[in-house]
Amino acid sequence: QQPVQSPQAVILREGEDAVINCSSSKALYSVHWYRQKHGEAPVFLMILLKGGEQKGHEKISASFNEKKQQSSLYLTASQLSYSGTYFCGTATMEYGNKLVFGAGTILRVKS
Amino acid sequence: DGGITQSPKYLFRKEGQNVTLSCEQNLNHDAMYWYRQDPGQGLRLIYYSQIVNDFQKGDIAEGYSVSREKKESFPLTVTSAQKNPTAFYLCASSPRGLAGGGEQYFGPGTRLTVT
Repeated sequence: QQPVQSPQAVILREGEDAVINCSSSKALYSVHWYRQKHGEAPVFLMILLKGGEQKGHEKISASFNEKKQQSSLYLTASQLSYSGTYFCGTATMEYGNKLVFGAGTILRVKS
Repeated sequence: DGGITQSPKYLFRKEGQNVTLSCEQNLNHDAMYWYRQDPGQGLRLIYYSQIVNDFQKGDIAEGYSVSREKKESFPLTVTSAQKNPTAFYLCASSPRGLAGGGEQYFGPGTRLTVT
């Protein structure tokens, strides 16, 4: 079942912060975050695993609430380069070897 | 340089023709994946393979076929049975598979147009 992302879109000014949420109705094994710019492939940002392990870019932070099956991606002091569509992908405890992606959150950073 | 390559970047075909999309990785990753992305939408899993000579159907496998004869290669064939083949196709790989806690990286993609 597809995870639900919120908000659908957000507009920021440079330097502002944003939070993107990803929620699942299934018990999750891992949550993956990607950023995709128009016409390009998604770029890996972070993976969060059940049990607390995280791997990803230094300047990206995220959380994974295992009780609520929710993850949040925190974008602080946004830059123009942060613009794009952010996707979360979730692997459930039942099907841990494949990802189901959310519909995406469009982020636009203005100068 | 290590990475995932997909070729060609753009592909045009007539309706009724089968077409094979290439995906090669030199990262020594065990698992490989094929996704489809339609305009303004998320990614949907077509097929995945965790080891050589083994692969599983994803959520939208109808009209597609794959093979995994070598660790570094995972070609996708879009057959004439696929009703709406025009899409952006993305190949991905993971060092030890998602169930092993591995992250997933994408290739640059192939944009297929069928008329």
